[in-house]
Amino acid sequence: DAKTTQPPSMDCAEGRAANLPCNHSTISGNEYVYWYRQIHSQGPQYIIHGLKNNETNEMASLIITEDRKSSTLILPHATLRDTAVYYCIVRVGDQGGKLIFGQGTELSVKP
Amino acid sequence: GAVVSQHPSWVICKSGTSVKIECRSLDFQATTMFWYRQFPKQSLMLMATSNEGSKATYEQGVEKDKFLINHASLTLSTLTVTSAHPEDSSFYICSARGATYGYTFGSGTRLTVV
Repeated sequence: DAKTTQPPSMDCAEGRAANLPCNHSTISGNEYVYWYRQIHSQGPQYIIHGLKNNETNEMASLIITEDRKSSTLILPHATLRDTAVYYCIVRVGDQGGKLIFGQGTELSVKP
Repeated sequence: GAVVSQHPSWVICKSGTSVKIECRSLDFQATTMFWYRQFPKQSLMLMATSNEGSKATYEQGVEKDKFLINHASLTLSTLTVTSAHPEDSSFYICSARGATYGYTFGSGTRLTVV
């Protein structure tokens, strides 16, 4: 089973930053946190991943707390096309590296 | 970037027939491929993991004789739904993992069994 907890839904105003939280209190020291998103009826799209340091790429930033028990995905300037279900996943490294999806957060970006 | 092609994107079949779904990594070698199923308004559920040249490992509760997985090369994995029934109607998604590109997902296949 997935070892992450996310709010089921969030709203964000277009142009504002979207901050999506994720709790993963049982994460192990060598497990990575991955973020994917899924737009309706499409395959999941990779966003970002990290181990313990904060990460940034062209899509988003990932902030991981010092104790690694939670993280936040930040979309700096949300657009309507960012409306999707966002999944926070802990990679189960000792089970062959499977990605187990939880329920995710349905983000609605509104004009 | 890494691209995974999944085909067909949608298929309608009659109850009792078999359907094959292909998953190809186009620009990288996928040592491991994963197959997921997703029902409406639900999350992705992992069905099985396949490594090139070896038998697939199925998750608990997934019938291996019904969902046949073949990973014959480093760029191709297939999922065959045998003797399909209406309850098998779902969105099937593959994912490929390479040494460099991490996990890349296909665009999914919508299966409708009538």
